[in-house]
Amino acid sequence: QQQVKQSPQSLIVQKGGISIINCAYENTAFDYFPWYQQFPGKGPALLIAIRPDVSEKKEGRFTISFNKSAKQFSLHIMDSQPGDSATYFCAASESGGGADGLTFGKGTHLIIQP
Amino acid sequence: DAGITQSPRHKVTETGTPVTLRCHQTENHRYMYWYRQDPGHGLRLIHYSYGVKDTDKGEVSDGYSVSRSKTEDFLLTLESATSSQTSVYFCAIRLAGTGEQYFGPGTRLTVT
Repeated sequence: QQQVKQSPQSLIVQKGGISIINCAYENTAFDYFPWYQQFPGKGPALLIAIRPDVSEKKEGRFTISFNKSAKQFSLHIMDSQPGDSATYFCAASESGGGADGLTFGKGTHLIIQP
Repeated sequence: DAGITQSPRHKVTETGTPVTLRCHQTENHRYMYWYRQDPGHGLRLIHYSYGVKDTDKGEVSDGYSVSRSKTEDFLLTLESATSSQTSVYFCAIRLAGTGEQYFGPGTRLTVT
């Protein structure tokens, strides 16, 4: 059972455009939703995260939109740059004091064309 | 990088041999995790630890064991490696009081 579904698998965006990656989850106990960026040969790097008490969080060019009723969240990359080309993973966890790990989506390979 | 190192960074081993991967952290984090990453699967949790000698299973724990005898070291052991365990293995720590997890550089394991 895939608890976090991510789409699309791959995405090509022109430089300066908006990149949008979507995720949907099933477990209503999830209360922490991070996005990770991964470059080839490197470990995933925490990019931005949100909790369900807010509907949007922005950090620089990166924005998370969160829809609790639909159990969906998305990553928007504004003014996309070639350096943003990477694989992006959404994830979710229950952070109520337990040690449970993250449940990841399968990833989106993003290419920003110059 | 949250002070996380993994060793070895690359390893090739034969089917049936035991393999131990090491995760070392220098910042006294309580929570540590092992994930594996495979194409088309994202990252999946193998085992985690919530303190010295306190460990529990994750989603894909079959064929793996872990140990944590010191706060700074979390070991992942493949008792008898199989080709299906060819993967990239990542260790992570979680900041106390948050959900934030930070990953190490990974170990690429090939089982022939």
